[in-house]
Amino acid sequence: NAGVTQTPKFRILKIGQSMTLQCTQDMNHNYMYWYRQDPGMGLKLIYYSVGAGITDKGEVPNGYNVSRSTTEDFPLRLELAAPSQTSVYFCASSVAGANTGELFFGEGSRLTVL
Amino acid sequence: DAKTTQPTSMDCAEGRAANLPCNHSTISGNEYVYWYRQIHSQGPQYIIHGLKNNETNEMASLIITEDRKSSTLILPHATLRDTAVYYCIVRVSRNSNSGYALNFGKGTSLLVTP
Repeated sequence: NAGVTQTPKFRILKIGQSMTLQCTQDMNHNYMYWYRQDPGMGLKLIYYSVGAGITDKGEVPNGYNVSRSTTEDFPLRLELAAPSQTSVYFCASSVAGANTGELFFGEGSRLTVL
Repeated sequence: DAKTTQPTSMDCAEGRAANLPCNHSTISGNEYVYWYRQIHSQGPQYIIHGLKNNETNEMASLIITEDRKSSTLILPHATLRDTAVYYCIVRVSRNSNSGYALNFGKGTSLLVTP
């Protein structure tokens, strides 16, 4: 049972480059989320999706874009990488209507922008 | 969602109970208390949640005061593998416009020592 899978695990980008962080889940969860975590800080919500075709901004969406064409996949796109986007990115999912509302997280993608 | 206050760090001897406090004095009647932990830069992991009654599962116990303004997470017999950052989060459990998105603060860094 894979759960939430993120790729790549590590990436170094140059300023101005673009890339996509991939996230896929095999639990048929309706809800998916992208968080970023800067060193020594808590997680901040970037974007979330409550179902295929539906996305919305979280607390820190600037510089990012998302899409949700399928239930399984929720890619995060960085268009013009900046040093301020150096962070660890976590994707998570949860099932609609769950009593606990538990979030299931991936292992993270560590991004450095130089 | 109500704000929470946690100590920055705590120590606990291996085999002893670890009691992690959380203050949520502005909690509303329909808000639950959630606890997650994050082991060394992995994705956060759900531990337990509760509304007003004390809760126990295979990982921990959650004690919520009668006025619900504070709670304590108890790890009954801490092991070295329990060294992690523990997050106390307050939010409504039901579906909302943001799914089950959680706001993670800085949490408490628990160090379990031999």
